Amino acid sequence: EDQVTQSPEALRLQEGESSSLNCSYTVSGLRGLFWYRQDPGKGPEFLFTLYSAGEEKEKERLKATLTKKESFLHITAPKPEDSATYLCAVQARTGNQFYFGTGTSLTVIP
Amino acid sequence: DTEVTQTPKHLVMGMTNKKSLKCEQHMGHRAMYWYKQKAKKPPELMFVYSYEKLSINESVPSRFSPECPNSSLLNLHLHALQPEDSALYLCASSLGPGGGEQYFGPGTRLTVT
Repeated sequence: EDQVTQSPEALRLQEGESSSLNCSYTVSGLRGLFWYRQDPGKGPEFLFTLYSAGEEKEKERLKATLTKKESFLHITAPKPEDSATYLCAVQARTGNQFYFGTGTSLTVIP
Repeated sequence: DTEVTQTPKHLVMGMTNKKSLKCEQHMGHRAMYWYKQKAKKPPELMFVYSYEKLSINESVPSRFSPECPNSSLLNLHLHALQPEDSALYLCASSLGPGGGEQYFGPGTRLTVT
């Protein structure tokens, strides 16, 4: 059964304190893995798509990496405005549904 | 432009009311989605439209009725809802049904009284 697990559930960081969020997945043939940022009461904002193991994508302080079993979202020197829930989703080769993880709620303290 | 718009932003309705949610995109995307999201939970897929045809209905109660009038518009008609249907309703679109990133709208916050 296709499954996505994110950890930790919540993370509090001091401003400038780098860390990583984890997304572990089991899927019968990965079509793509997607990272989103969601602010309270708003729709998810697309960040990255990763398609194959070894792939990396970067955007400002965020860097996403992918292995055959998991993806990491690395946050370098975070700022308070990086506070949000980060969602991971996977899409299998068969079908077009997204399977979302439960998200990591990130709080960056000034 | 990767914008998906949704109206209204907020909706309060009684259990006997009929209302509709509207979603629009002008990115030329041919797949559109409705999701329901409860607080502190991930989005939960409700419906998928591919090339204006309903392709997935995730066993959603009939009090939710989707409609895709054209390739840019997606509606969700609501009737006889229950208080537990209160949630953030999200619309998304993707280039095609076969895969790729989905772009989400800002959502409609629905409260059923």
